[in-house]
Amino acid sequence: SQQGEEDPQALSIQEGENATMNCSYKTSINNLQWYRQNSGRGLVHLILIRSNEREKHSGRLRVTLDTSKKSSSLLITASRAADTASYFCAKAPYTGGFKTIFGAGTRLFVKA
Amino acid sequence: DTAVSQTPKYLVTQMGNDKSIKCEQNLGHDTMYWYKQDSKKFLKIMFSYNNKELIINETVPNRFSPKSPDKAHLNLHINSLELGDSAVYFCASSSTASSYNSPLHFGNGTRLTVT
Repeated sequence: SQQGEEDPQALSIQEGENATMNCSYKTSINNLQWYRQNSGRGLVHLILIRSNEREKHSGRLRVTLDTSKKSSSLLITASRAADTASYFCAKAPYTGGFKTIFGAGTRLFVKA
Repeated sequence: DTAVSQTPKYLVTQMGNDKSIKCEQNLGHDTMYWYKQDSKKFLKIMFSYNNKELIINETVPNRFSPKSPDKAHLNLHINSLELGDSAVYFCASSSTASSYNSPLHFGNGTRLTVT
């Protein structure tokens, strides 16, 4: 399947710590996107990183992409209780450009 | 203003019934989608419409029928509901059909429970 894996499935940290989530994929991609889902809500787009980019930042978020390893990571620095959510990576494959393919996400719990 | 709104938020119904979920976006986007999120949070695409034309039709039972009266609306009708249809259904939109540069904007989901 094209979905790949998100790792870890769940992560529990203390407020102020950094949280790192990883995403792997199997087929070549045009871009990779990260989304956040709060409980009972829809997904919210965080960052899009293109296949020719290696790193992007947005506030406390840092996303890296390693196309040779077919993997990406999302780092949340100085986490807050409000960061508690599920985080999904979504792949836009080179073929079938209309599809954005999601995995099952990483559930992050930040303890105050 | 809610960008992508879907109704109802909760839907509880019995097996065999027919139900519809409605979705509207006010972002001026050309493309709309239906995704299904199962109990393990896995999110899977079902359908996509671009300017009222069906462009993605995944392996979904034909009991599910999307309808797009205009590019701002995409409804999902489900016939003969089954227990396995219980899930959260998300509507989403994007500015273009290509996923290459168009992040998705999601509604808050419809939790369907079939008893």
